[in-house]
Amino acid sequence: AQKVTQAQTEISVVEKEDVTLDCVYETRDTTYYLFWYKQPPSGELVFLIRRNSFDEQNEISGRYSWNFQKSTSSFNFTITASQVVDSAVYFCALSAQGGSEKLVFGKGTKLTVNP
Amino acid sequence: DSGVTQTPKHLITATGQRVTLRCSPRSGDLSVYWYQQSLDQGLQFLIQYYNGEERAKGNILERFSAQQFPDLHSELNLSSLELGDSALYFCASSPPTRYSETQYFGPGTRLLVL
Repeated sequence: AQKVTQAQTEISVVEKEDVTLDCVYETRDTTYYLFWYKQPPSGELVFLIRRNSFDEQNEISGRYSWNFQKSTSSFNFTITASQVVDSAVYFCALSAQGGSEKLVFGKGTKLTVNP
Repeated sequence: DSGVTQTPKHLITATGQRVTLRCSPRSGDLSVYWYQQSLDQGLQFLIQYYNGEERAKGNILERFSAQQFPDLHSELNLSSLELGDSALYFCASSPPTRYSETQYFGPGTRLLVL
C-alpha cells in the first residue's frame, strides 16, 4: 500500500522567512512518482512539480526548491523568502506504478505567511 | 487556469436527492479522474476513466457512479445523498503519453447536502 505523511499540519511564518514543508512517503514499488500541489484559499489545486523515482536531482524553480532523498523516502519542499501570496495548503502526493495511476495524497500542510 | 472545466461550481441540495457533476478535460487528454476532498477524509481518489473505459476504482460508494462520454467529458452521479457527502469534488485529466503523467485539476464542485 502507498502512504504519504505530511507531519506538519500548520506552519506560520513572517514574510521573507524561508520555510520547508516535509513529505515522507511509503511504497513498495521501485518505480513511482511524487508530486506537490498547492491549494490557495480560492480552492483550486495547482500543480507545482512531478518527480520520478529514478531522478534524485534536486530542483529549483524561482523561490521554490525540492529535495528528493530516496534513502529517507522524503520529498521536501522549500520556499525561500516567503511571500503573503504563498499562503495556501500544500499537498504532497504519490503515484506508484504497481497500482493504478491514482494519486495518494498527504493530509496537507497549511502555510500562513504573515506580512 | 488548468484547462479542466467543472460545472457547477456550487451545488446545494437535500438529503436523498441525486446530483450530476460535469467535467471537461484538457484538450487532448484521454484520462479523467474524480477525487473527493472532505475535512475528515482529506483528498481521496474515487474513479478513473480512460478514453471512455473505466480504468481504476478507489473508495467510491455504490451510490456514486461515473461515466466518460465519446467527446471525453465525464459525469459523476451522486444519488441518495447523505449529509456526509458534502465535500469538494475535483475532476482531473492527464495526457495519454506515459504512465503517471501529471494530473491537472479543475476548479472543483462544492457540494453541500442539507
